[in-house]
Parts: sequence; C-alpha cells; structure tokens
Amino acid sequence: GQQVMQIPQYQHVQEGEDFTTYCNSSTTLSNIQWYKQRPGGHPVFLIQLVKSGEVKKQKRLTFQFGEAKKNSSLHITATQTTDVGTYFCAGGSYIPTFGRGTSLIVHP
Amino acid sequence: ETGVTQSPTHLIKTRGQQVTLRCSSQSGHNTVSWYQQALGQGPQFIFQYYREEENGRGNFPPRFSGLQFPNYSSELNVNALELDDSALYLCASSLIGEEETQYFGPGTRLLVL
Repeated sequence: GQQVMQIPQYQHVQEGEDFTTYCNSSTTLSNIQWYKQRPGGHPVFLIQLVKSGEVKKQKRLTFQFGEAKKNSSLHITATQTTDVGTYFCAGGSYIPTFGRGTSLIVHP
Repeated sequence: ETGVTQSPTHLIKTRGQQVTLRCSSQSGHNTVSWYQQALGQGPQFIFQYYREEENGRGNFPPRFSGLQFPNYSSELNVNALELDDSALYLCASSLIGEEETQYFGPGTRLLVL
C-alpha cells in the first residue's frame, strides 16, 4: 500500500533559523496536505497542494509539491517559538495517508 | 476552533471492555473520518462515513466499527479492547466535493489497562 515518509523525525533550531521538513511517497499522489499539531493538541490543516510543481506561501511558510507528485516540502523562514509543534504531511485522495511527522523544537 | 467536537475527552478502560466515542461534525459537513494516533506517530486512518455508509476503511480489525447519524454526527465503537488500543482517537469532518479539507476535533485520549 501507499507509504508516506517524513524526514527528519526531530529538528532543533535556534529562534530565527530556518527549518525544512521533507515528505516522500512511494506512489504518485493526487494531492498533499500539511498539518500542524501543537503538543497536546490535534492536527490543524495548513494547506493543500494539488498541481505538479506547485508552490504556495503563507507568510513565513513555503510549501512545495514535486514535479512527479511524489514528494513535498515545508520550509519555515526565521522560526519563532510559536512554530513549535509536529508538522505532518498527508498524501492521497479522500483517504489521506499521514507521515510520522517532524517535531520542531525552537530554542529561544 | 474547527467546530468539531468529541466526547469524552479522556477515558480509562480495562482490557476486554468495549468503548464508544462520539463526534459532532462541523456544520455543513457530510463526511466523518476516524483516526487512531499512537504516541509519537501520525494519525492512522480507521474508516470514513459518508451519508451514513462506510466509505473506506483502513487496516483495522472488525472490532472497530462505526456509525454516522442523519445529522452527520458519528460514533466509533471498539470491542474487546486491547492494551495497544491506547491512543488518541481523532475524528475529522469534511465536505466531499469541495476542497475536502479535513477539520479535526480535539480527540479522545483512551487508556486501556
């Protein structure tokens, strides 16, 4: 079946540094979604990418969908302590497969 | 807040017991999906309900069952609980035919002793 892998599993950064998490699928994806889950919270939808090579920005967050629609990345510029949490990608159609997530720890 | 609510927030059961978890969808949404999230893992898809019918199922045994009601609220039932069923159970509502963005509820933390 479809597998979605995310790296790294954890990332420690100093506040102000950049952060990137990568998502790779074993199969071509119809779309990819990104979620953020704060410690003790639930996943919160960030964005959905559908088109090959698509790039979307939300303030300091940049999301990319690969040309082959098998990989994606989330890049945060100049991290802040409020960015702390686990970032999940989820690939697929109406039944998304979640990666294990990348936990971002921001040191002030 | 997403408008998706779940009850109870926490639950402790013993092995072999049965549990029912409840979810109220966001207004206007016609689809509910249930996920199991073990500690340190991503959410694992259990099943989805659309118009009161099961619309897809993940790799979970039949002792995991569900219902969706005419008002689009939903229940997840787990029979013969096992220790490994301890997890955060999330429901997510969405609207098939639209962007299909899933809005998650706060979850129910189940501990099986």
